[in-house]
Amino acid sequence: GNSVTQMEGPVTLSEEAFLTINCTYTATGYPSLFWYVQYPGEGLQLLLKATKADDKGSNKGFEATYRKETTSFHLEKGSVQVSDSAVYFCALSDQKAGTALIFGKGTTLSVSS
Amino acid sequence: ETGVTQTPRHLVMGMTNKKSLKCEQHLGHNAMYWYKQSAKKPLELMFVYNFKEQTENNSVPSRFSPECPNSSHLFLHLHTLQPEDSALYLCASSAEGTIGFNNEQFFGPGTRLTVL
Repeated sequence: GNSVTQMEGPVTLSEEAFLTINCTYTATGYPSLFWYVQYPGEGLQLLLKATKADDKGSNKGFEATYRKETTSFHLEKGSVQVSDSAVYFCALSDQKAGTALIFGKGTTLSVSS
Repeated sequence: ETGVTQTPRHLVMGMTNKKSLKCEQHLGHNAMYWYKQSAKKPLELMFVYNFKEQTENNSVPSRFSPECPNSSHLFLHLHTLQPEDSALYLCASSAEGTIGFNNEQFFGPGTRLTVL
């Protein structure tokens, strides 16, 4: 079945450091891929998405490229800020599978000044 | 503001109480979802409704009872809960077709439930 695997957290960085959060997936069809972010005390918000191979999603300085050959969708940011501290979820949707979004377990990012 | 609202934001209830969580979306979506988010556990999908029909029920105990009277409203009725049911309950919605799910979900802020 379809699944998403994220790197275990927490990830602790200093302000302006480079961020990578790894995400790999298993899917039977041609999924769309998403990154969601959850700030403390809030629900999940869509951060970026990509719907086909080689697409790059980007938002608020974050980027992720849909890599079909490595079944990956790693999240990156060149210079993190304290305000980026949150939990990040990788997710996929596979219309052929007929199921709703499948989420990874989430990675907690903590950025200190 | 995502266009999905949830009430109440916080709820404390005893194990013998009956309460309901409410979710409303103002996005014109046709699919709605309930998730449970517990500390140190993955996000758990509980129920899915598409065009008011329940399409998924992921082995959720019968003490949780969903209701979707129309495409804009979703309820989760709670009765005789256990302390381990304490969690953040998230509602989401998305715009889907009839052949499957492919689109991003918009989440509400959640209801923080504590069962004593």
